[in-house]
Amino acid sequence: NAGVTQTPKFQVLKTGQSMTLQCAQDMNHNSMYWYRQDPGMGLRLIYYSASEGTTDKGEVPNGYNVSRLNKREFSLRLESAAPSQTSVYFCASIDITYEQYFGPGTRLTVT
Amino acid sequence: AQSVTQPDIHITVSEGASLELRCNYSYGATPYLFWYVQSPGQGLQLLLKYFSGDTLVQGIKGFEAEFKRSQSSFNLRKPSVHWSDAAEYFCAVGAMNTNAGKSTFGDGTTLTVKP
Repeated sequence: NAGVTQTPKFQVLKTGQSMTLQCAQDMNHNSMYWYRQDPGMGLRLIYYSASEGTTDKGEVPNGYNVSRLNKREFSLRLESAAPSQTSVYFCASIDITYEQYFGPGTRLTVT
Repeated sequence: AQSVTQPDIHITVSEGASLELRCNYSYGATPYLFWYVQSPGQGLQLLLKYFSGDTLVQGIKGFEAEFKRSQSSFNLRKPSVHWSDAAEYFCAVGAMNTNAGKSTFGDGTTLTVKP
């Protein structure tokens, strides 16, 4: 039981490049989230998926897109990276008691 | 809309001393309340949670928290801090009966433990 896994762990992009962050969970949870974490700003919700086939915007969705590929996988795509998207990205899944299980994070730098 | 305030950005305590981290929330009904801990370079891990019932909740690693409805608070406590408790702590409030059970996180409190 691996919990929530994320790839890659680190990534450096140039402005304008695109990339996809991958997330998978093996706990059969319906809901999955993408957050970004910046110093002094806590966790901000980018997008979430309440169930397979549905996605919704969170607090800071601009510049991002998501895909809920199946129940296990929820990917986050940056179509044209900007320096303001330099951050640590966390994926999480949530159980029926609303407890969130976090992945180890992806540290993204955009130059 | 729900919100969470953690008034202390950074707290330093000596090893063996007691600890209290403050959390105040804003929510229109009975909330779900959580405390998470994040060690450097890691994801967040749940310490404890409150849904209903006994307002004093026990968690992992010797932590406890008390829900006080009259003060809209859910403060985290530990009687004796260990050096390994140095980390960042996040309080979160979850909305019942909402799509996907979204939670709102506070900005975090960084705990430093002095030897």
